[in-house]
Amino acid sequence: ETGVTQSPTHLIKTRGQQVTLRCSSQSGHNTVSWYQQALGQGPQFIFQYYREEENGRGNFPPRFSGLQFPNYSSELNVNALELDDSALYLCASSTRTGPHLNTGELFFGEGSRLTVL
Amino acid sequence: QQQVKQSPQSLIVQKGGISIINCAYENTAFDYFPWYQQFPGKGPALLIAIRPDVSEKKEGRFTISFNKSAKQFSLHIMDSQPGDSATYFCAAAAGAGSYQLTFGKGTKLSVIP
Repeated sequence: ETGVTQSPTHLIKTRGQQVTLRCSSQSGHNTVSWYQQALGQGPQFIFQYYREEENGRGNFPPRFSGLQFPNYSSELNVNALELDDSALYLCASSTRTGPHLNTGELFFGEGSRLTVL
Repeated sequence: QQQVKQSPQSLIVQKGGISIINCAYENTAFDYFPWYQQFPGKGPALLIAIRPDVSEKKEGRFTISFNKSAKQFSLHIMDSQPGDSATYFCAAAAGAGSYQLTFGKGTKLSVIP
């Protein structure tokens, strides 16, 4: 087990709705990244947070937003859900000694599977 | 634009055989190349990683071979076991501070007894 927990594990929404996914980082980790994994595909980087600030963003529209809290837990919010948002959403935590210094390894949670009908 | 191309899409290997998965990248700024293993219902887990200052890295039965000039890297699994049956992803990142991994599409490995 990686110590990264995500909730909920599964959820079903309808197009146009909003969803919030939650992630609890491994103890001592100060950086959280979110990835979207469509069925049969590799994970795609959404964004990452370091010390409560967004520190990098992939090619996702603004309706994908996030938060990192002082205890380093995190939320991913998706507004105006579209059918193509159906995917496994993965949270990964890691340790960073500075804004641009990583220690190499991401620890992934088991994901939240979102189905949009 | 797919920046990391992975092949094959699926692979069947006999127990005890060698599994080989290949990846090619385009972005010359990439300087960190990990391989992740994912079992059904689980998140990816880091298997082994390499930086471009070495051409090979071995950890147990797993070896990464890296060819910087060809912009290719591969994963070799020696003495493959049924417990190795999983989906394997190569990935790449640019910059010492980046956790922005670009993943390949994955290879589903089945090791048959």
